[in-house]
Amino acid sequence: TQLLEQSPQFLSIQEGENLTVYCNSSSVFSSLQWYRQEPGEGPVLLVTVVTGGEVKKLKRLTFQFGDARKDSSLHITAAQPGDTGLYLCAGELGNQFYFGTGTSLTVIP
Amino acid sequence: DVKVTQSSRYLVKRTGEKVFLECVQDMDHENMFWYRQDPGLGLRLIYFSYDVKMKEKGDIPEGYSVSREKKERFSLILESASTNQTSMYLCASSLVGQGVGTDTQYFGPGTRLTVL
Repeated sequence: TQLLEQSPQFLSIQEGENLTVYCNSSSVFSSLQWYRQEPGEGPVLLVTVVTGGEVKKLKRLTFQFGDARKDSSLHITAAQPGDTGLYLCAGELGNQFYFGTGTSLTVIP
Repeated sequence: DVKVTQSSRYLVKRTGEKVFLECVQDMDHENMFWYRQDPGLGLRLIYFSYDVKMKEKGDIPEGYSVSREKKERFSLILESASTNQTSMYLCASSLVGQGVGTDTQYFGPGTRLTVL
């Protein structure tokens, strides 16, 4: 059983559409991170959220940490082909980060 | 720029072989990690190390061992490879965190291991 479940597992959308990816758990995390992984590369950190209810924006990407610090969402506005990749959430629990199951996003030009 | 390099991008081995995966980081990071990545399962932690010669088991250490003789190098060893160890292996490093939410892991490009 995975500590962090992401949905959807796969997402294929047209350029210009909006989308939201979800990261859910029954555990409470000290912080939560979002990574993006492109084919043939390792994951790269996008953002870290720490406070319950926190919202962070990174250009067209909006990240939210749930009030109870058990879940998070990533919203992309006007998706572009360059957003294609695997999106991973990771929750900090104790001295370890636990990664989610991943969402594979394809943005079609 | 932090650079984490892994010795091979692709590796094919036979069942029962001993396999060494090497990882080197160039930013003097204390922490180093080995994960395996499988579709639908995300990244699962195999082992991590906080310092030279120190190691801690992660979530799935069975069938693996590690070695950290130098700060910059962290090796993953499959003593007797099995087909269920076919996977993508990712190495990462990080500085010691200065508090909650300060840890950033830098990943290598991964080694895709196939065990026949």
